[in-house]
Amino acid sequence: DIQMTQSPSSLSASVGDRVTITCRASQSISSYLNWYQQKPGKAPKLLIYAASSLQSGVPSRFSGSGSGTDFTLTISSLQPEDFATYYCQQSYSTLRTFGPGTKVDIK
Amino acid sequence: EVQLVESGGGLVKPGGSLRLSCAASGFTFSSYSMNWVRQAPGKGLEWVSSISSSSSYIYYADSVKGRFTISRDNAKNSLYLQMNSLRAEDTAVYYCARERGSGSYYSWGQGTLVTVSS
Repeated sequence: DIQMTQSPSSLSASVGDRVTITCRASQSISSYLNWYQQKPGKAPKLLIYAASSLQSGVPSRFSGSGSGTDFTLTISSLQPEDFATYYCQQSYSTLRTFGPGTKVDIK
Repeated sequence: EVQLVESGGGLVKPGGSLRLSCAASGFTFSSYSMNWVRQAPGKGLEWVSSISSSSSYIYYADSVKGRFTISRDNAKNSLYLQMNSLRAEDTAVYYCARERGSGSYYSWGQGTLVTVSS
């Protein structure tokens, strides 16, 4: 199975900060990498698919990059509604796997 | 409006069985692969199983293989997860999710809680 890791596991940031979250796959997954945002008690929400494509309706301050094994999710200017947990997920293998998550909270 | 509504969760004893359902509306259900994803209390997301649009391709996580069975009824716009030989570690909120071609999940239900405890 393809293992996914994320760093950091948590971070504290202020409104307006630029935030970068890293996701790494245990083997090359080309661009089959997706990012989700989850708030407490809610279902996850798709932000980015295919490594860098912005899901419809998602603010443009979110962006994704990378290919192969290393990927990043960037929030250009953190907004109050962005405090949440972020997960990466690989869809290269038919056995899908998620990263362990990165919790973004208020500094 | 796309809607996915899970049901069937509850409290079950270890070794017991439960069948989850996911009712879909607002899109052509028969055209999409569907998935189950779970989240144990306070933990991260774990992919459980997927089924292709015509049920030709079915996959399971190693943690549930041999115990869980995914199925769908396109005539009823419904997805199912039959869970047998349940263990305490199966305790989680179970979400159904619609998959797009890239393998991402762009529609999710609200989840149903399964608690396995004696």
